[in-house]
This record gives sequence, C-alpha cells and structure tokens, in this order.
Amino acid sequence: NAGVTQTPKFRILKIGQSMTLQCAQDMNHNYMYWYRQDPGMGLKLIYYSVGAGITDKGEVPNGYNVSRSTTEDFPLRLELAAPSQTSVYFCASKRDISGGYTFGSGTRLTVV
Amino acid sequence: GESVGLHLPTLSVQEGDNSIINCAYSNSASDYFIWYKQESGKGPQFIIDIRSNMDKRQGQRVTVLLNKTVKHLSLQIAATQPGDSAVYFCAEGPVGATNKLIFGTGTLLAVQP
Repeated sequence: NAGVTQTPKFRILKIGQSMTLQCAQDMNHNYMYWYRQDPGMGLKLIYYSVGAGITDKGEVPNGYNVSRSTTEDFPLRLELAAPSQTSVYFCASKRDISGGYTFGSGTRLTVV
Repeated sequence: GESVGLHLPTLSVQEGDNSIINCAYSNSASDYFIWYKQESGKGPQFIIDIRSNMDKRQGQRVTVLLNKTVKHLSLQIAATQPGDSAVYFCAEGPVGATNKLIFGTGTLLAVQP
C-alpha cells in the first residue's frame, strides 16, 4: 500500500493563477479530508468527503473547491490564487467513523 | 467552543531522559484521542491512540495517559532519542457529521545530544 499520496510536493503560483492539488489513497477509505497548516498554527479543515460523490465544506472553504468522483481520489482546486493561500496542504483519509487519519506528505504552496 | 490545547509549546530534553508532553481538551463527548508526530517537511504520523474507556495505553517507548476528570491527555516518551525531535500534536474526535479530528497547535520536542 502506498497510503495517501499527494502531488505536487512544492508549487509556486502567481496571484490569480489556478491549480489542482492531487490526493489519492489506496486503502479503500471512505472518509477523506483536506487541511491547511500555517506556521505555528494547528490544522484547519478546508473540505471533507464521507464517500464518493459526497463532499462538504469545513472551517475554511473559501477560495477552494473539491470533487470526489471515486473512492480513491480527492483533488483540491484553487481558483484565483491569493497570497493568503500560501500554506502547507495535507490530505488525510480514514476508513470509518472511529479511528485516526492517515496523512499524505503534504504540498507546500507559495502564492506570490 | 471546541478546542484542544497544549500546555507547553516547546520542550527541550536531554537524550536518554523521559519526555512528557501534555494536552488539554474541552469536548467531554470525544471518544477517541490520538498523538501524532510531525517531522520537519513531512506529514503527521500516527504514534498512539486511546479510547475514552481507557486510562492508559502503552506502545513501544510511548505511553498515553487519559484523565477524563480533568480532560487531560499526555504522551510519555521513554529514553528520548534524537530521532524523537519533532512537533507532537494531540487530537480528539470524532466530531460532528464530519467525523473529523480536532488538533492542537503542537509541541516542539527538541532532544539535546
């Protein structure tokens, strides 16, 4: 098992550009999450999904969008990138209601 | 509101000593608690978990203690090694319809050789 795979690992965007952060898991987990981590801060939930075809907003969804067409993939879309979106983004998954997350290795995004 | 907080933002210990990282949580309905380790430039990695019906759980060199009376969680690392240097997060959950975890801001553990 590869676990949770995120790509790219690093990216620099210009203000106003768009990009998609990829996340894939091969553990057949139902629940998937996108978090952002800012320096000295905890993880903040952007979007989550409880299964294929179902997504919903977390605490800080503005400026982002997601889709979940398959169990395995949960891409995060940034439209019109802003400097405030400079952060490290983590994708996580878990199988069911109980239990902890398996995290990806993160994507470090800088918007200039 | 919901919160998970850490008493000490940084902890410096000597190699070979035992480390204790503390965490306070506020949601008495939380059923599950986890400690994660995050090394520089990497994603959080699961260390150990404990359910609300337990007071203590041991792993390899790590022990988690849960005191539900005072809503306190701690992580004990025995014989701390340089490789233990990282940020440690506690988390509680699952919370609400998202079944999400709520994370603390983290404690930086610095192991001095």
